[in-house]
Amino acid sequence: DAKTTQPNSMESNEEEPVHLPCNHSTISGTDYIHWYRQLPSQGPEYVIHGLTSNVNNRMASLAIAEDRKSSTLILHRATLRDAAVYYCILRGEYGGSQGNLIFGKGTKLSVKP
Amino acid sequence: EAGVAQSPRYKIIEKRQSVAFWCNPISGHATLYWYQQILGQGPKLLIQFQNNGVVDDSQLPKDRFSAERLKGVDSTLKIQPAKLEDSAVYLCASSPIGLNTGELFFGEGSRLTVL
Repeated sequence: DAKTTQPNSMESNEEEPVHLPCNHSTISGTDYIHWYRQLPSQGPEYVIHGLTSNVNNRMASLAIAEDRKSSTLILHRATLRDAAVYYCILRGEYGGSQGNLIFGKGTKLSVKP
Repeated sequence: EAGVAQSPRYKIIEKRQSVAFWCNPISGHATLYWYQQILGQGPKLLIQFQNNGVVDDSQLPKDRFSAERLKGVDSTLKIQPAKLEDSAVYLCASSPIGLNTGELFFGEGSRLTVL
């Protein structure tokens, strides 16, 4: 069972910022928050992950609430290529099956020109 | 660096026939995963290998699905006999061994249609 809750779909305009929310109220202290995205007809692609502090990389930023019960993936300037399904996933720190990625349905992001 | 390779990309079979999918992970990646993705849903883990040992196969329908990873590198996933509900994309992913804080690398998937 997915342990995260995301909106089914969101729309954005090209070149505008996008904030994709994720609720994970049952997160444990050792769970990392991972984000993946899946473009049409492709396998999922890693975007970013974090534990407690906000994280930035070349693709996006991850803002994590202080109580860790929610997070937001931020695309600073959406492009048409960012249209995809975005998955927010909790992943255990240690090896074995606790570290498996359990995907929900994700958020389908549409980007309008 | 070469990514995760999967074949075939597409396969159409009739129900009760058998099919096999092949995956070549990124060189040096000890952990390999097979996921099933039904249209409109997120990927569901079928089996996880670490080297050539099975870590988790709790969601693998073992009456018809089997998977192996000989020599801890390539892997094959077999379905025999196939059912209509097996129509899906089968995704292979790999990751380096160690703490699960890094990323999984996915292949493009093998799309199966069962008629």
